[in-house]
Amino acid sequence: EIVMTQSPATLSVSPGERATLSCRASQSVDSNLAWYQQKPGQAPRLLIYGASTRATGIPARFSGSGSGTEFTLTINSLQSEDFAVYYCQQYNNWPPGRTFGQGTKVEIK
Amino acid sequence: QVQLQESGPGLVKPSETLSLTCTISGGSISSYYWSWIRQPPGKGLEWIGYIYYSGSTNYNPSLKSRVTISVDTSRNQFSLRLSSVSAADTAVYFCARDEQLYPTGWFDPWGQGTLVTVSS
Repeated sequence: EIVMTQSPATLSVSPGERATLSCRASQSVDSNLAWYQQKPGQAPRLLIYGASTRATGIPARFSGSGSGTEFTLTINSLQSEDFAVYYCQQYNNWPPGRTFGQGTKVEIK
Repeated sequence: QVQLQESGPGLVKPSETLSLTCTISGGSISSYYWSWIRQPPGKGLEWIGYIYYSGSTNYNPSLKSRVTISVDTSRNQFSLRLSSVSAADTAVYFCARDEQLYPTGWFDPWGQGTLVTVSS
């Protein structure tokens, strides 16, 4: 099973600043990686797929990069609505599987 | 737009079988893959398994022996059965469309989730 490790567990950022979240895979997943945002009591919301493609309706301040085993989600100029937990998720073609990272909480500094 | 809604008992006794249904509205179940994902209280997300509208399935190896996912295309629904549950299966259960655009994939949209508590 491919293990996804996110860092840091918690990130304290001031509104208007940049947040950089990391996700590492235990083996290469090529560009088969997605990022989600989850707020309390809500379902996760897709932000990025294919490592760097923004989902429909996602603001341009969210960007994804990386391939292989190292991935980054960058949130520029943090808005109040961006404080949430962020998960990365790998997609494996064969054997078929999907695993999530343990999440990074972005909190107000 | 496609919307998903989970339904089923919110309380299940230990050793019994958890059963949930996901109803799709605003679109067809056909031609897509559909997944179940769960989240224990205060913890992260765990993929349970997926089903294709034709009925083919794939499960998380850690749950495979206890999981069955089925589909009812006439009702635009798919279902989850998890047998021999314990307190460790207490979680919010989400259904989601499992988008597969080779070689990558992602989950979107998601249902709102339903809390299932395992307790006597």
